[in-house]
Amino acid sequence: GAVVSQHPSWVICKSGTSVKIECRSLDFQATTMFWYRQFPKQSLMLMATSNEGSKATYEQGVEKDKFLINHASLTLSTLTVTSAHPEDSSFYICSARDPPGLAGAETQYFGPGTRLLVL
Amino acid sequence: QKEVEQDPGPLSVPEGAIVSLNCTYSNSAFQYFMWYRQYSRKGPELLMYTYSSGNKEDGRFTAQVDKSSKYISLFIRDSQPSDSATYLCAMGLNTGFQKLVFGTGTRLLVSP
Repeated sequence: GAVVSQHPSWVICKSGTSVKIECRSLDFQATTMFWYRQFPKQSLMLMATSNEGSKATYEQGVEKDKFLINHASLTLSTLTVTSAHPEDSSFYICSARDPPGLAGAETQYFGPGTRLLVL
Repeated sequence: QKEVEQDPGPLSVPEGAIVSLNCTYSNSAFQYFMWYRQYSRKGPELLMYTYSSGNKEDGRFTAQVDKSSKYISLFIRDSQPSDSATYLCAMGLNTGFQKLVFGTGTRLLVSP
C-alpha cells in the first residue's frame, strides 16, 4: 500500500524558533499533500492543501506566514512553523492523495505524525 | 450543526463482541466514505473505502453506506484487544479531488 513518512517524529524547541517538518510519499508520487493539526482527543483539523509546484491553499483561520508550506517535488512537502510559541504545540500530521488507480481517487494516506512541543 | 457527526465514546466491549461504529452527515453531495483507525500518538490508517451507497467487506470489517439516511457504519466482528483505537469516519465530494471532512472519532476499548 501507499506509504507516507514524516520527519521528525517529535521535536521540542524553544519559543521563537522555527521548526521544519518533512512529509514524504515513499512509493508513489503525490501531486497533492495535506497538512493537519490534531489536539488531544479531537479530530483532524485541515490546515492547508499543498500542491506540487504551486502555492499552498490555506484553510480559514490558518496564518500562511506562520505555517510555511513548500511542495517542491512530487514526493516531498514541508511545513515550517515559524517563530513557534507554546500554543503551537500540537500533533501535526500530513497526508498524501492516493493517485488514481489504487484504492480510489479520493483517499488519503497519512504519515505517522510529528509531535511538537514548544517550551 | 457539524457536517459530520460522530459519537466520541469511549465504547467499551468485551473481546469477541461485534462492534458498530456510526457517523451521520448533512451534505448529500458526499460520495466517498472512508474509515480510518488511529492508535494513540500515531497517524490515521485507512481501513475501509466505499464509493456511493452499499456494503463493503474486508475480513472482520464491514462498511455500510446509506445515502438516503446520510448514515454510515463500520462493523467489526470478533473484536480483539488490538482493535482498541480511535476510529475516524471521513467523507469526500465527487467533484474532482476535494478535501476530506472528518468526524471527531470514536474511541473503542476492547477488553480481554
